[in-house]
Amino acid sequence: AQKITQTQPGMFVQEKEAVTLDCTYDTSDPSYGLFWYKQPSSGEMIFLIYQGSYDQQNATEGRYSLNFQKARKSANLVISASQLGDSAMYFCAMREGWDNAGKSTFGDGTTLTVKP
Amino acid sequence: EAQVTQNPRYLITVTGKKLTVTCSQNMNHEYMSWYRQDPGLGLRQIYYSMNVEVTDKGDVPEGYKVSRKEKRNFPLILESPSPNQTSLYFCASSAFIAGEAYNEQFFGPGTRLTVL
Repeated sequence: AQKITQTQPGMFVQEKEAVTLDCTYDTSDPSYGLFWYKQPSSGEMIFLIYQGSYDQQNATEGRYSLNFQKARKSANLVISASQLGDSAMYFCAMREGWDNAGKSTFGDGTTLTVKP
Repeated sequence: EAQVTQNPRYLITVTGKKLTVTCSQNMNHEYMSWYRQDPGLGLRQIYYSMNVEVTDKGDVPEGYKVSRKEKRNFPLILESPSPNQTSLYFCASSAFIAGEAYNEQFFGPGTRLTVL
């Protein structure tokens, strides 16, 4: 069974600094996709970044990058130059299968607070 | 506007009274899914569907039913709701392009259900 572990229930970061949110995963499927979502206090789920299991390079999207270490089964999210608007809950998720059309699993989330 | 809609957004009901939460997407997505989110926990997948008439159980299917008779709709049915089904429910959809690994999920706004 697939599993996502986020070991940091809460994180604090100073505005304009970088922060890393940890995510480790476990799956027996050789093909999978890893996703990060942001959930602000308003409740909606916002997609941030994706990494495929066969991708050779780490994914980047603006201020977000994914530090993908396949052998260690980790997919940490790095947010550079934190902004006050980054304060939210962040979820790491995995979808099985080459087309990511299989079962989907989320971690318990990390609450990030950006301090001015 | 491309979107996933859910109705109702808020619902208070009593134990045992059957209810249906509707989900509809206008992006012609093949894949649809239901999740529940409880305090301190991430999203847990209830059911997912890879296409019309094709559904499969997620991690927490007990007490729920789904159907996928049309591509755009994926209703969640609680035949006999119980207080432990009080939760925030999200519907999501994504494209399913064969051989394409990157298939981001688009989430609805959520339905907050309280079962008394």
